Amino acid sequence: KQEVTQIPAALSVPEGENLVLNCSFTDSAIYNLQWFRQDPGKGLTSLLLIQSSQREQTSGRLNASLDKSSGRSTLYIAASQPGDSATYLCAVRTGTASKLTFGTGTRLQVTL
Amino acid sequence: KAGVTQTPRYLIKTRGQQVTLSCSPISGHRSVSWYQQTPGQGLQFLFEYFSETQRNKGNFPGRFSGRQFSNSRSEMNVSTLELGDSALYLCASSLATSGRYYNEQFFGPGTRLTVL
Repeated sequence: KQEVTQIPAALSVPEGENLVLNCSFTDSAIYNLQWFRQDPGKGLTSLLLIQSSQREQTSGRLNASLDKSSGRSTLYIAASQPGDSATYLCAVRTGTASKLTFGTGTRLQVTL
Repeated sequence: KAGVTQTPRYLIKTRGQQVTLSCSPISGHRSVSWYQQTPGQGLQFLFEYFSETQRNKGNFPGRFSGRQFSNSRSEMNVSTLELGDSALYLCASSLATSGRYYNEQFFGPGTRLTVL
């Protein structure tokens, strides 16, 4: 059974700082990994999708890496801003259907 | 392109009632998945529909059911509501999967269900 863990559970940083969020998964036979952000009481916004054959993906100030063999992914956020404050979730897909297994999330607060 | 839409956004029901939630996927997307999000259990997969067929099912009781229509719109039904069914219900859509690459999933804003 796939299990996904995210560390830390919460993080508070001052504006402008670079930061790294971690995601680990127990079954390395994944098809892809997706990072999302969720604002309080809202749905999920897709940030980045990494296929199993890829090592990293970049979008603006975000960079996600994937090391499938060790069961790890990191989300790097450069020059953090208060608008980045949200909960960040990683999710892996291990079957041919669309089922995603989610981590518990990292709650990020970027302070002025 | 319009995103995933869910209706209603908020619902209040009492124990024993039933409820139907609706999800309209992004145009052209044929796969619709449903998830339940609670503070205690996080995000849990309910089921996935593809071309009107349930393709995968999570570990939820039979009170939770769904269906998909020919236009890919999907509904989820919960019968005999329990207090523990209070949650944010999210649906996600994606393009049909093919080859080695599996597609990005896009989520709707969710339906907040409160059971009293």
